[in-house]
Amino acid sequence: DAGVTQSPTHLIKTRGQQVTLRCSPKSGHDTVSWYQQALGQGPQFIFQYYEEEERQRGNFPDRFSGHQFPNYSSELNVNALLLGDSALYLCASSFRGSTSYNEQFFGPGTRLTVL
Amino acid sequence: KNQVEQSPQSLIILEGKNCTLQCNYTVSPFSNLRWYKQDTGRGPVSLTIMTFSENTKSNGRYTATLDADTKQSSLHITASQLSDSASYICVVSARTGGSYIPTFGRGTSLIVHP
Repeated sequence: DAGVTQSPTHLIKTRGQQVTLRCSPKSGHDTVSWYQQALGQGPQFIFQYYEEEERQRGNFPDRFSGHQFPNYSSELNVNALLLGDSALYLCASSFRGSTSYNEQFFGPGTRLTVL
Repeated sequence: KNQVEQSPQSLIILEGKNCTLQCNYTVSPFSNLRWYKQDTGRGPVSLTIMTFSENTKSNGRYTATLDADTKQSSLHITASQLSDSASYICVVSARTGGSYIPTFGRGTSLIVHP
């Protein structure tokens, strides 16, 4: 059983460009959350997708958008990249109907560097 | 505003020694508290989870405690190993509607020396 997978592993972009990151959830999971983790910091919640809709959103600008597909996989899009967007982007999946307090399983992350 | 504060920020210990990491939180409405281990450049991996009614949870050499009255938690690592070198993150979740929204601490960076 594959866990959460993310692609690409690393990415280098320049300011002003746009980027798309991808995530496939753990088998049996239907909810995907995205996090931004700057170097030396804890992850910051960006948003959560369930049933192909954004259900919750953290304190991130509209430049950050996402999508969830019918197979539960998800994309994170960031427009007009800024230097400060350089970070490790983590995807986490969970099963909304779980009674185990919505345990999230994290992927390995995508390291985005903005030059 | 929901917040999770961890201390110390970093810790260096010798292999075989014990250590305790601290977590204070102001998260409402409280649902659960997790401790994660995050190796450098990897995603976090859950070590323990505790709900309001639980005050101790063990996972091998890791023991977490929770005092819901004082809103404090600790993670105790016994007989440390080199592989314990990692960042340990305290995460407190609030239940909002049908979703659990986590607030992450900044983590404690643990280095275990031989």
